[in-house]
Amino acid sequence: GAGVSQTPSNKVTEKGKYVELRCDPISGHTALYWYRQSLGQGPEFLIYFQGTGAADDSGLPNDRFFAVRPEGSVSTLKIQRTERGDSAVYLCASSLRPSSYEQYFGPGTRLTVT
Amino acid sequence: QKEVEQDPGPLSVPEGAIVSLNCTYSNSAFQYFMWYRQYSRKGPELLMYTYSSGNKEDGRFTAQVDKSSKYISLFIRDSQPSDSATYLCASCSNDYKLSFGAGTTVTVRA
Repeated sequence: GAGVSQTPSNKVTEKGKYVELRCDPISGHTALYWYRQSLGQGPEFLIYFQGTGAADDSGLPNDRFFAVRPEGSVSTLKIQRTERGDSAVYLCASSLRPSSYEQYFGPGTRLTVT
Repeated sequence: QKEVEQDPGPLSVPEGAIVSLNCTYSNSAFQYFMWYRQYSRKGPELLMYTYSSGNKEDGRFTAQVDKSSKYISLFIRDSQPSDSATYLCASCSNDYKLSFGAGTTVTVRA
């Protein structure tokens, strides 16, 4: 079946602009996670959704970052006033069971802030 | 210091060789241990996961966890050029926040 999909695959934006990154989880997966992967590093946890609500947003670096999942399926990660340090690959994962270590990742969105 | 440290690469081996990948972790609460494979410009793909200490085998892949030494290993037997990728170890406790190592890039030469 279809895996996790993310759009866009690449996003180039200017410093200070607003961006939205979209994640479509595997059908039937109730839990959704966002991670950020900087060059040469492993992914780092940002936020976890169980259903529509953010169950844990402790990994968001600051209040410029926000994510929603209004209908319990698709999620959008929103970054305001982007900075060059936000440049990274933003990965979305989903799991069948809530709070699961068995997470399946999408291809990521490569964000470049110029 | 990161919770999961991974042996830095890169590793280059001839086709058919055994690839050995290693990680250590510092959080005693970690109980689940995963290995992901990541091809260039792709998302991580879950290869194997184990719970607590022990070995797990899946085809050419064997994962080992030694909780007493906080050591995680992945062995790839009869390596193929298609195994060329970055391998990431990850761990977590009873929750969902995966802590990843930085990854080891492996090249299998034909």
